[in-house]
Amino acid sequence: DAKTTQPPSMDCAEGRAANLPCNHSTISGNEYVYWYRQIHSQGPQYIIHGLKNNETNEMASLIITEDRKSSTLILPHATLRDTAVYYCIVLNSGSARQLTFGSGTQLTVLP
Amino acid sequence: GAVVSQHPSRVICKSGTSVKIECRSLDFQATTMFWYRQFPKQSLMLMATSNEGSKATYEQGVEKDKFLINHASLTLSTLTVTSAHPEDSSFYICSASAPRGMNTEAFFGQGTRLTVV
Repeated sequence: DAKTTQPPSMDCAEGRAANLPCNHSTISGNEYVYWYRQIHSQGPQYIIHGLKNNETNEMASLIITEDRKSSTLILPHATLRDTAVYYCIVLNSGSARQLTFGSGTQLTVLP
Repeated sequence: GAVVSQHPSRVICKSGTSVKIECRSLDFQATTMFWYRQFPKQSLMLMATSNEGSKATYEQGVEKDKFLINHASLTLSTLTVTSAHPEDSSFYICSASAPRGMNTEAFFGQGTRLTVV
């Protein structure tokens, strides 16, 4: 699975959009981009995933660049409960769902 | 989404004793489950892959005789930390994988905080 690079930390004001970047320049054609988050002392929570098209669900939007070498997770209206470590993971669609977690981005939503 | 339940959520044990952690898939059958360990201020590290009806596969550096994994049914995997020592104190998390062709997201338990005193 391709390696990902994320900033170690970001702050965001409550109610504003949080934009979390991820670089995955070595991604291959059949690899998906997954996002998970981990609120302190809890198990990781799935957010969203995509292959090449932009995706949106009730939690977030995922924007993937045309060359697929980077992506951005967007939380449109961040709340204090969105404070967590966000992990961007590149995964072969055929894998058995074992995940390799990098260091992620600590997002702190400020009141 | 699918639910994975982990029990207990928190356990304190004495050094030298063994602790069993359960991971259950509540509304789907999981042929494969994964066990992770997370030390403070670090990311999750995969310890082992638990396969229903067969032996677990351990990551390099993880002692299989110390971390016993049993996956006797399609909804339950257990991790037993044998002869626990203070350095085994950590946050242990399981995840479950549905068979191919179904949802592809990995579903995680809520984690078990183990403290060995």
